[in-house]
This record gives sequence, structure tokens and C-alpha cells, in this order.
Amino acid sequence: DGGITQSPKYLFRKEGQNVTLSCEQNLNHDAMYWYRQDPGQGLRLIYYSQIVNDFQKGDIAEGYSVSREKKESFPLTVTSAQKNPTAFYLCASSIGTNNYGYTFGSGTRLTVV
Amino acid sequence: EDQVTQSPEALRLQEGESSSLNCSYTVSGLRGLFWYRQDPGKGPEFLFTLYSAGEEKEKERLKATLTKKESFLHITAPKPEDSATYLCAVRAYSGAGSYQLTFGKGTKLSVIP
Repeated sequence: DGGITQSPKYLFRKEGQNVTLSCEQNLNHDAMYWYRQDPGQGLRLIYYSQIVNDFQKGDIAEGYSVSREKKESFPLTVTSAQKNPTAFYLCASSIGTNNYGYTFGSGTRLTVV
Repeated sequence: EDQVTQSPEALRLQEGESSSLNCSYTVSGLRGLFWYRQDPGKGPEFLFTLYSAGEEKEKERLKATLTKKESFLHITAPKPEDSATYLCAVRAYSGAGSYQLTFGKGTKLSVIP
């Protein structure tokens, strides 16, 4: 079955450490997205990519970085510059950005220890 | 600025007690309104897409409707398994030739047996 796989499900980060969240899709979707979800807040867009080797900042990109070297993969790095990284991170994909719904992964919960 | 407001924040229903969830929006150039269901600790699951005022879609006990300013998610005779957070999102032009989803904060529905 096609879908989006996020790993790991739970991740713990120490102060000053960079961590990378994995997102892989086998839906042959062109566009991929990273969202952050905090309690009581809507999903907020971190980064998105419409094609391989190209990506754009979303509303809250500071302290995060991404790469899109393959169509199937869109990893997110949470850097030490992100001062409040504890959150639920969701990866999504869509056929394109214009008229299609998103398919979401199951999420990664990141906690600072 | 595009805005999506969902109400109520939380709704508690007895099993079989029908009700509606509201999603009001202010966007320019709407290119679709989306409803998702999200269970705790999981990614959102797509329910419906609505594109034009007057459009309606149904799935089991759920029916989504759209006007020019808001959408309703009607739940008829809900069951405990309908308990979840329901997210509304609107797609609008975000510049640089792309369209993005803006999410509301969600309505947490609890159905009591």
C-alpha cells in the first residue's frame, strides 16, 4: 500500500543537539511538506518542496533545515537554533500544490531532555 | 492574512445526539476547503474536500457543507468511535505560484456511550 512513513515515532533531543526526522513516501507525489503541531494550535507550516532539489520556507522555518535530493524523501533537521523544539511533527505530501488534498504521515513526537 | 476559525474548541455529545462543527474562513482566492479527522498521537486523515458554495459531501454519519464564509461538519447519530479532533483547512494562493493549506485549531469531539 502507498503511504508516508515517518521515523522515528518518538525522539529525544539534548540541549544543543541537532536531530533529523525522516519522511519517506511511495505515492509518487511531487510536493512534500513539514508541519509542526502544538497543543491548542493549528498545524503550522515549516518547509515545503514542490520538486526535487527545491524547497521554500513556510511560516516558522527558523531553526529548521530540509533537503530534497530524491522525490521520495524529505528529511527535516531540527537544529540547536530552534529554542522550543518540543512538539509533534507531521510530514505530508500531495500530487501538486494547486488543487489536491494532502496525505499525512503518522508523525514524530520530539521532546527536549 | 488568511484565517481559519473553528468552533467550538471542544464538544461533548451523548451517543446518538446529532450536532454540527463550524469552520469560518477569510481567505482570498479560495481553492478548496478540507476536513480531516485526527486521532490522538496520529496524523490527520482526509475526510472531504469542498470547492464551491452550496457543495455537500457525505460519508457515513458525516456530512460537510460549504458557504461563501463557512463550512459545517454535521454529525448524525454519533457513536463513540467518532471521538476525535476534526481539523478544517483552506487552500489559498500563497505567492510564488503555489497554494498552501491554512489550518484551524480543530474541534475536539467526545462522544459518550
